Amino acid sequence: QKEVEQNSGPLSVPEGAIASLNCTYSDRGSQSFFWYRQYSGKSPELIMSIYSNGDKEDGRFTAQLNKASQYVSLLIRDSQPSDSATYLCAVNMGFNKFYFGSGTKLNVKP
Amino acid sequence: GAVVSQHPSWVICKSGTSVKIECRSLDFQATTMFWYRQFPKKSLMLMATSNEGSKATYEQGVEKDKFLINHASLTLSTLTVTSAHPEDSSFYICSVPGQAQYEQYFGPGTRLTVT
Repeated sequence: QKEVEQNSGPLSVPEGAIASLNCTYSDRGSQSFFWYRQYSGKSPELIMSIYSNGDKEDGRFTAQLNKASQYVSLLIRDSQPSDSATYLCAVNMGFNKFYFGSGTKLNVKP
Repeated sequence: GAVVSQHPSWVICKSGTSVKIECRSLDFQATTMFWYRQFPKKSLMLMATSNEGSKATYEQGVEKDKFLINHASLTLSTLTVTSAHPEDSSFYICSVPGQAQYEQYFGPGTRLTVT
């Protein structure tokens, strides 16, 4: 069974803090990993993609991948209230099929 | 601008009727498109892969006779929910692979409510 696991939250952080979102996946052969942000009633929007072990930084966002541990995370620095949303971890398990985690709801308190 | 469009954006139908949802790739041709379903406060669940010119491939547990998929052209895939029931009420989202490897563009989604 192909699975992507996330803590559903909600994760509450104060404005300006670092938010840490975590995800594990079951398919050891997966090669590409994605973080999407989804606002209520809207379609997911891509935040970050990562394909290699280690860290990838883009502005306030850092994705971290550890294929040996089958673990991917997203750090959001200087969190803003506008970052409040549900964050979905997605794994491409071949043939461009994306499998999503259940999402972590993030609340950034002003 | 939008890469993928869906129509309608929302629809309300009565139990027993069928509803067709369109997914269009606006910027490039797509031999493959994907259909997802999302229940409230749940994640996206891949339903099926739509293949241009051939049968769709369905994920385990998805009824192919209930969710009919037609990919008649390189820019259009349709999902028809047949004999809809209230439990089919959900947010249906399509996606189109981009031209770069692993790229994926999601449509804006269609909210279906079956009364």
